[in-house]
Amino acid sequence: AQSVTQPDIHITVSEGASLELRCNYSYGATPYLFWYVQSPGQGLQLLLKYFSGDTLVQGIKGFEAEFKRSQSSFNLRKPSVHWSDAAEYFCAVGARGSQGNLIFGKGTKLSVKP
Amino acid sequence: SQTIHQWPATLVQPVGSPLSLECTVEGTSNPNLYWYRQAAGRGLQLLFYSVGIGQISSEVPQNLSASRPQDRQFILSSKKLLLSDSGFYLCAWSVRTGGVNYGYTFGSGTRLTVV
Repeated sequence: AQSVTQPDIHITVSEGASLELRCNYSYGATPYLFWYVQSPGQGLQLLLKYFSGDTLVQGIKGFEAEFKRSQSSFNLRKPSVHWSDAAEYFCAVGARGSQGNLIFGKGTKLSVKP
Repeated sequence: SQTIHQWPATLVQPVGSPLSLECTVEGTSNPNLYWYRQAAGRGLQLLFYSVGIGQISSEVPQNLSASRPQDRQFILSSKKLLLSDSGFYLCAWSVRTGGVNYGYTFGSGTRLTVV
């Protein structure tokens, strides 16, 4: 069965600084991978997803993520963080070849210092 | 385009009262439907999912139940709420195609406070 680990519960960065949120997964083959963002009191919004092909995936709001098979990772990055990026971020993994449900990490809360 | 509606946005209910949260999807057919709960600091907990009318799978034994009376309608219910049922409830849908999970689209959530 697949699993997802987001090692960082809370991260604080200064506005304009770069950001990397970590995500590690456990799965026997190449999974489907997703990053979602949740603003306070809101539902989750899909930032980006990886299915196959180019391992560097571009998403909305200037985010990107890189799939690294050797490290079982799918880290989310942004070169310059804006105050509006303060939110909670969830990584999710889905199994291929089935109707299996997505498995979500426990989330990383991002705070942005002015 | 597809949209998902979830209501109410907020709800305050006394312990022991019933609950009914509704979720509807527009612009798609035969979706997979999901109910999640978020408790503070505990991430997303999958409660129920459904692959078709009347087909409900429960992930966590609890005080809640779910029903899918129509293809694009998913209802979360309880006969008697407990304090521990407080949380943020999210409905989601996904495309149901063989072998590929395209990810979920979430509703805006319901904040339930049981007092």
